[in-house]
Amino acid sequence: DAGVIQSPRHEVTEMGQEVTLRCKPISGHNSLFWYRQTMMRGLELLIYFNNNVPIDDSGMPEDRFSAKMPNASFSTLKIQPSEPRDSAVYFCASRFGLSSYNSPLHFGNGTRLTVT
Amino acid sequence: AQSVTQLDSHVSVSEGTPVLLRCNYSSSYSPSLFWYVQHPNKGLQLLLKYTSAATLVKGINGFEAEFKKSETSFHLTKPSAHMSDAAEYFCVVSDGNTDKLIFGTGTRLQVFP
Repeated sequence: DAGVIQSPRHEVTEMGQEVTLRCKPISGHNSLFWYRQTMMRGLELLIYFNNNVPIDDSGMPEDRFSAKMPNASFSTLKIQPSEPRDSAVYFCASRFGLSSYNSPLHFGNGTRLTVT
Repeated sequence: AQSVTQLDSHVSVSEGTPVLLRCNYSSSYSPSLFWYVQHPNKGLQLLLKYTSAATLVKGINGFEAEFKKSETSFHLTKPSAHMSDAAEYFCVVSDGNTDKLIFGTGTRLQVFP
């Protein structure tokens, strides 16, 4: 089991540039979650998918943020244009099913984004 | 609405001494509760979960937590700290309506030799 794979591990970009974060969930998991972690706000759920369909994107901060899941093994989180306040660690997590009762979340190692 | 409060932002212990990380929850019904651990530059890893089967829950790496409904608490303990336990620990409750996970603010555990 390779775990949840995120790329890149680190991203440094200039304000105004487009940023794309990538995630490969664990094979067989059909729910995928994007979180953002900052010192000020802790862990925030941005969006989650079930069977490749976005279920709840109420945590996406602005229209500059978008997420896609074109197939069961790949998801992207895009920020366009990026701003310094987007600097954070972005985590992808996956599990089987929607219920946390029977299936825990498995997290990737995160992408540390720095926008200068 | 569901919520969790982690009562300490930092806890420091000496290696070999007991660990206590405190968490109180708020829930209108029987909650699902979890503890996750995050080591530096890593993602979060599930330590243990409570889902009403037993009030004392054993997790990985010698950790355990006890669900106390009368105190609305779910404190995490370990009899003897190891240097490798140094990490950030998150208490988490599952929202019963949406099944979203609601994370506490975290407790940073330091272990001194």
